Parts: sequence; structure tokens; C-alpha cells
Amino acid sequence: AQTVTQSQPEMSVQEAETVTLSCTYDTSESDYYLFWYKQPPSRQMILVIRQEAYKQQNATENRFSVNFQKAAKSFSLKISDSQLGDAAMYFCAYRTQNSGNTPLVFGKGTRLSVIA
Amino acid sequence: GAVVSQHPSWVICKSGTSVKIECRSLDFQATTMFWYRQFPKQSLMLMATSNEGSKATYEQGVEKDKFLINHASLTLSTLTVTSAHPEDSSFYICSARFRDYNQPQHFGDGTRLSIL
Repeated sequence: AQTVTQSQPEMSVQEAETVTLSCTYDTSESDYYLFWYKQPPSRQMILVIRQEAYKQQNATENRFSVNFQKAAKSFSLKISDSQLGDAAMYFCAYRTQNSGNTPLVFGKGTRLSVIA
Repeated sequence: GAVVSQHPSWVICKSGTSVKIECRSLDFQATTMFWYRQFPKQSLMLMATSNEGSKATYEQGVEKDKFLINHASLTLSTLTVTSAHPEDSSFYICSARFRDYNQPQHFGDGTRLSIL
């Protein structure tokens, strides 16, 4: 079974600075998706960024980018120019590509605080 | 974009009653729906996966007689917590996806269930 590990329960960053959240995963599959979700205090799950394993190029979405290292099974999220609204729980997630009805596997999350 | 509507957002009821939570996909056919449970400051825990017209597949440790899941149509899934007790108090989130494995998984806004 696949597992996702987030080793940083909590992180903090100064406003306008850059922060990197770590994520590693374990799988024997070669085709899969990786995601970062943000969950603010409202508890809504918001997709931040998605990476297909077959793509070597790291995904980027405005201030959010990932460092995808497939051989190392590492998928870190970098938030640049941090804003107060970035404060939230961040979950790393994995999903196999082989079937349409397989669920996301989540890590335990990292709580990010942004200091003004 | 695709939207998943979850209702109610918050419910408080007495111990022993049954509570039904609805999850609707508003602009796409949700061939697969997932139900998650989330305790405070923890990650999402998958409870069950349901495919339209089929019985739900429950994760180990989840009582299927306690948590009844119905996915009778491509736009509606329901989770009924039967004879609810205080230990069932939690945050429940549904998520839906169209059959194509390349499609994203869309989340409802969650239901906060409090059993007195």
C-alpha cells in the first residue's frame, strides 16, 4: 500500500519570505499523481498544485511550485512571497493513475503559520 | 468549474438519533464518491468508496452498519450515521470524481457533526 509522509507537523514563515514543506511517499507504481491540498480554518479542501509522475518538469502555480524527485520519492512544496492567507494546514496526497475509483492517500499534514 | 455540494454544513443532535449527510455533484457525473472523516488537527481518514449503483467498499475498522452509504445516482451520495453517539462527533467530508482517472477529485465543504 502507498504511504505519504509529512515530517514537519508545524512550520512558520515570515510574511513575504519563502517556505518549503516536505513530503515523501512510498509506492511501487510508476504512474501516479501527487497533489498538495490546502485546508484553511474553514476546513474547505483546496487543491494547490498537482504533478503527474511521468512529467519531469516541476509543476508551478503562481507563487507555488514543487520539487518532484521521482527516484527519491520526494515531493516538496515551495511557497514564495508568503502571504497571511497562506496560513493553513497543507496536505500532501498521492493517487494511483491506474484506476478511476482509487482514493487519494493523504499525509498527516503540516500546519503553516505566517508571521506578519 | 466542477462543484460538490455537501449538506448540512453543521448538525447538532441528541445521542441515539440518525443523521443523514448529502453530497451532490452539481455539474458533472460522479461515478465514484469518497467519504472521509477528520478529527481535529488530524488528516483525512478514508471511510469508504462508493461507485454509482454498487455497494460501498468500507475501509478496515469502519462499521458499515453504523455508517450507511448510498450512491443511487450519478449526482448524489448520502452518508447516514445511525444511532449516533458522542464518539461519532467529527468532521465528515465527501469527495467525488468522474470515472476518467485523469479527472481531479472534488471535495465538498464538509459537515461538522456534534452529538450531545
